[in-house]
Amino acid sequence: EPEVTQTPSHQVTQMGQEVILRCVPISNHLYFYWYRQILGQKVEFLVSFYNNEISEKSEIFDDQFSVERPDGSNFTLKIRSTKLEDSAMYFCASSGAGGRTQYFGPGTRLTVL
Amino acid sequence: QKEVEQNSGPLSVPEGAIASLNCTYSDRVSQSFFWYRQYSGKSPELIMSIYSNGDKEDGRFTAQLNKASQYVSLLIRDSQPSDSATYLCAVKRRKDAGGTSYGKLTFGQGTILTVHP
Repeated sequence: EPEVTQTPSHQVTQMGQEVILRCVPISNHLYFYWYRQILGQKVEFLVSFYNNEISEKSEIFDDQFSVERPDGSNFTLKIRSTKLEDSAMYFCASSGAGGRTQYFGPGTRLTVL
Repeated sequence: QKEVEQNSGPLSVPEGAIASLNCTYSDRVSQSFFWYRQYSGKSPELIMSIYSNGDKEDGRFTAQLNKASQYVSLLIRDSQPSDSATYLCAVKRRKDAGGTSYGKLTFGQGTILTVHP
């Protein structure tokens, strides 16, 4: 069964450093998303991406964040200058035509020291 | 007011019993409703989706939606210890008249379910 994959599974970085989180969505899906979950808190929407552009973003997704689909398979989230409060699980999700049901990847645990 | 509200629990039921999980939402233009299961340290896993008022059954799971009351629930029949997890309710707004897809899922805090042998 096709699934969303994410790399790395765990990323440790120093405050102020740039990180890139990578995702490979399900191959025939058209809509791509990033969510995050701070430990003990709810899953929060960051951004959605369709037709090579951002379709919606949350207040969390400020100028420090960017997304890109550099080729036909990868979808990346970049944080330019990480802060302590960026420590969280970051989940990539994708959905097919119609964009109804979102399937989540296993997540990347980001730890900012 | 929280957009999507769930009782955080923990909800404890004996093996074989019915577990009932509830969720309320505040945005009246919500159209799509989802239940995800999340094991500790893992990602959300889709269990059920429901779009119309009424009940939808899939195996041991039944989702119920009442848009007038802004209420969605999940029943788990014959609960098993392996069902022990956090259950997340998620809500999505409908597309607008211009065709823009509001893909954002808004999640509740989740209800911790424990099924004891």
